[in-house]
This record gives sequence, C-alpha cells and structure tokens, in this order.
Amino acid sequence: RKEVEQDPGPFNVPEGATVAFNCTYSNSASQSFFWYRQDCRKEPKLLMSVYSSGNEDGRFTAQLNRASQYISLLIRDSKLSDSATYLCVVSGEELTFGTGTRLTIIP
Amino acid sequence: DTEVTQTPKHLVMGMTNKKSLKCEQHMGHRAMYWYKQKAKKPPELMFVYSYEKLSINESVPSRFSPECPNSSLLNLHLHALQPEDSALYLCASSQGAGVVDEQFFGPGTRLTVL
Repeated sequence: RKEVEQDPGPFNVPEGATVAFNCTYSNSASQSFFWYRQDCRKEPKLLMSVYSSGNEDGRFTAQLNRASQYISLLIRDSKLSDSATYLCVVSGEELTFGTGTRLTIIP
Repeated sequence: DTEVTQTPKHLVMGMTNKKSLKCEQHMGHRAMYWYKQKAKKPPELMFVYSYEKLSINESVPSRFSPECPNSSLLNLHLHALQPEDSALYLCASSQGAGVVDEQFFGPGTRLTVL
C-alpha cells in the first residue's frame, strides 16, 4: 500500500463548479499535512497547510481527519487558473508526496 | 526575499560529462533538499541537508554527489550519468531542521542525459 494515495484523475470540471479531492495516508504518526499545486513543467508551490481544525483560504478549504487518516481539499467557484496538478503532502520524518490529482477547469 | 533559485534552468550532458547543479536561498532556512521528478510522477527525495550537514541520503547512486558549501547554497555534482537520470531536479528549503516544515521549491533544472 502506498504511503500517500490520491485519485490521479483527471478531473475535468466546468468553470464555476465546486470540486473536491481526497488523499489518504498510511502512517498514523504523520505530523503535518499540506496541499501543493504544480503547474505543467513548473515547481510545486505550497497552496495551504492543513490543520486539525480545518482551514479556509478564499475559495479553498482543507480538512484533516486523523481518525480515518485522510485530508481533503475543496475548491469553490473554480477558475480556469485553478487547472494544475494538486499534490497531497504528508510529513513525518520526511515529506511524502502523493501521486497528484490532475485538475482541468473547462470554460 | 522568499525565493529559491536554481541554475542552470536546462542542462544537456553526455554520459561522460561532469556538471553541477546549483541552488541558493536567502530566507535563512536551515534545511535544504534535492528532489528528482520524472514526468507525471511526484518529486522523489534524494538528499537532505540540515544545518549544512547531510542528514538523509535516500540510497542515491554515487554518480550524484551533493555539497553544501554554506547555509544558503546547495550543489549537486553529476558524473557518469545514465539516460534514465534525465528528469527535473528540484531544490527546496525549509525553515527548521525538522522536515515537518513546509518546503519552498526552486524552479528546477531540467536535465537531459544523452
């Protein structure tokens, strides 16, 4: 079983829609959780950290469920510029990356 | 300055060449990392430097040799690479020595080995 699993997609979503991704992790001792986005042929960029209480940044909401060992990302009112690969990242002794979910927003 | 810079942006080298990748950050971060990323795959950790000392080597072949001359600089020396080493090489840094901190990535060096 992979340490961090994501649905690779692709998710093709119309502009303005709401889209949600989930990510599961296997190491219950994991301490920190992040969502990164990566545009084609670019470096990963931190989108948001994920806190136990959940957190929101504009159109983006991240949730952590330690009991079920998953994190989620919700994007509301999606924009064309949201098209990217979204990487779930879990930190224990190292950062472990999920395989990424490819999102394409369709005009 | 919240930027990690990497040079060169692109590199093409033969299997007998020796080249170096460079990474620099001026955020006062104490940990720096090298990752390798193949197309459509997530980054794979290669090395971690913490307070200028190598703390993690993920069983990387010796044809890759990291160096941390000071707290702001990280190099990756390349020698006798194979075509399968062609990839995007990403440098990252984080504030603390612990890897639990969020990491900031440079733009990467796209390496092609002929």
